[in-house]
Amino acid sequence: EAGVVQSPRYKIIEKKQPVAFWCNPISGHNTLYWYLQNLGQGPELLIRYENEEAVDDSQLPKDRFSAERLKGVDSTLKIQPAELGDSAVYLCASSLEWDNEQFFGPGTRLTVL
Amino acid sequence: AQSVTQPDIHITVSEGASLELRCNYSYGATPYLFWYVQSPGQGLQLLLKYFSGDTLVQGIKGFEAEFKRSQSSFNLRKPSVHWSDAAEYFCAVGSNTGKLIFGQGTTLQVKP
Repeated sequence: EAGVVQSPRYKIIEKKQPVAFWCNPISGHNTLYWYLQNLGQGPELLIRYENEEAVDDSQLPKDRFSAERLKGVDSTLKIQPAELGDSAVYLCASSLEWDNEQFFGPGTRLTVL
Repeated sequence: AQSVTQPDIHITVSEGASLELRCNYSYGATPYLFWYVQSPGQGLQLLLKYFSGDTLVQGIKGFEAEFKRSQSSFNLRKPSVHWSDAAEYFCAVGSNTGKLIFGQGTTLQVKP
């Protein structure tokens, strides 16, 4: 069974540019999460989806970040415009339901110059 | 507010020695507790979890953890560390809404 797939694995952009990350969860998993992991820190939840509905986006900086999960499967996280402080690893995770084990993808490492 | 504290940022042990990684949590209700491991460039892998029942939980790769409600702790242990265990370890508490709160992690270095 394939795990959570994320792309790209690495992205380098200049500040003020837009960037997008893509996540394909494990087949059949209804719940999808985006986490932000700063260097030397644990992951922090940005947004959680139940199918196509964002049920917890309280930590998502909505002035520059947006996310979508069309058809309740794949998801895209976008930053526009990117700032230097956005340099981090963006992790996607999925679970069967909200109270089940979360499976993590390898992450996208973003560097903003 | 929910929080997780991992007091040790970095730990070095010799191969074959025992290991204990500390985790303390703050949560108002009965917590769901997790330990994840992250190798460089990899995603997080679940080692073990505690939801209820037996307070000594067995996980993968020979790890175990003990939930102690009186101490608000969920320490991870392994009797004999292998070089391949070198990684970053995260303790997390899960709320009844599915949100995971992670500690800042403990980096394990294994000496040959």
